[in-house]
Formats: sequence, C-alpha cells, structure tokens
Amino acid sequence: KQEVTQIPAALSVPEGENLVLNCSFTDSAIYNLQWFRQDPGKGLTSLLLIQSSQREQTSGRLNASLDKSSGRSTLYIAASQPGDSATYLCAVVGNNDMRFGAGTRLTVKP
Amino acid sequence: SQTIHQWPATLVQPVGSPLSLECTVEGTSNPNLYWYRQAAGRGLQLLFYSVGIGQISSEVPQNLSASRPQDRQFILSSKKLLLSDSGFYLCAWMGSPREQFFGPGTRLTVL
Repeated sequence: KQEVTQIPAALSVPEGENLVLNCSFTDSAIYNLQWFRQDPGKGLTSLLLIQSSQREQTSGRLNASLDKSSGRSTLYIAASQPGDSATYLCAVVGNNDMRFGAGTRLTVKP
Repeated sequence: SQTIHQWPATLVQPVGSPLSLECTVEGTSNPNLYWYRQAAGRGLQLLFYSVGIGQISSEVPQNLSASRPQDRQFILSSKKLLLSDSGFYLCAWMGSPREQFFGPGTRLTVL
C-alpha cells in the first residue's frame, strides 16, 4: 500500500526566503504527483501536477520536481511571501485513487 | 469550466442522528468522484470513490456509506452518527490527466 510522507511537518521562515518542502512515497509505480495548498477551513487548491514521465513543473514562484526512482518530490517556493502561509499537501496518484501526505504547515513571517 | 459544489458548508449534529452530505459537479460528464475525510491535525483519508452511477468502492470499514444516484452527484450518508465522525469532508473529482479538483468542504461536528 502506498505511503506518503512529508517533511517537515511545520516550517516558519521570514519573508523573502527561498524554501523547499519534501514529499516521499514508498511505491514508485505512480501515474502522477500533485501538490496542493490548503488554507485553514478551506478545500484544497491544486498548485502543480507532475506526470510520471516528467521531471519537474513550474508555475510562477513554484517549482515541483519528481524523482520516481527514489520516491521523492520537492516543492520549491522562491521569494516567499506572507500570503504563502498555508498547509501544503502532496498526493500520489495511483490507478483510481490518490494518497496524501499529512502536509507541511508553512508560516511566512513579515 | 468545471465546478464542484458541496453542501452544507457546516453542520452540527447530535450523536445518533442521520447524515446526508451532497456533492455535485458541473461542466464534465462521467467523472470519477471521491469522498475524503480530514480529521483535525491529520491528513486526508480516502473514504469512497465512484467510477460511475451506482458504482461505489469503500476504502475503509466505517459508519458511513456513499451513493451515486446521478452521473454528477455523489452523496455521503450515515444512519447514526458517532462522535468519531466529526471532521472536514471533502469531495473531489478526477479530470485529465488524472488531476484531482476539490470542493470547498463540509465541516461536520458531532456532539
């Protein structure tokens, strides 16, 4: 059974810093990996989707990488802003389901 | 464009009462639909998924059930709620290429 782990569980940084969030998974036979953002009490917003054949995806200040062989993905956030404060979840897509990590709670201090 | 709706947004129910949460999707046909629960401080747990009308797969044994009476409607139910059913319930659909999109969620508190 696929297991997804996210490290760190929480992260606090000053505004302007570049940061990396980590996601690891146990079964490399995946279709996609998706990164989400969740604000308190809200649903999940899709940030980036990396297909299994891809190595990375970029959207604005966000860059996500995927290394299937080692079971790892990273989400890089450049020049962090207070508005980036949220919980970031990675999810691994299998045949018909999606397995989530527990998330990294990010706080960006002004 | 596709839109996913959930209601109610919040719900407070006594232990032992019934439950019905509704999820509807607009702008797509025959979507794969999913129910997740997010307990306080924990990750998302997949409860049910459906690949078509009347087709329900359950991930974990529990006090809840799901139904898909129409192509774009997914319902989560319980006959008698437990305290442990409290949580944030999220509905999602899967588009192409297997990208999931989530609804706004329902906050359920069982007292």
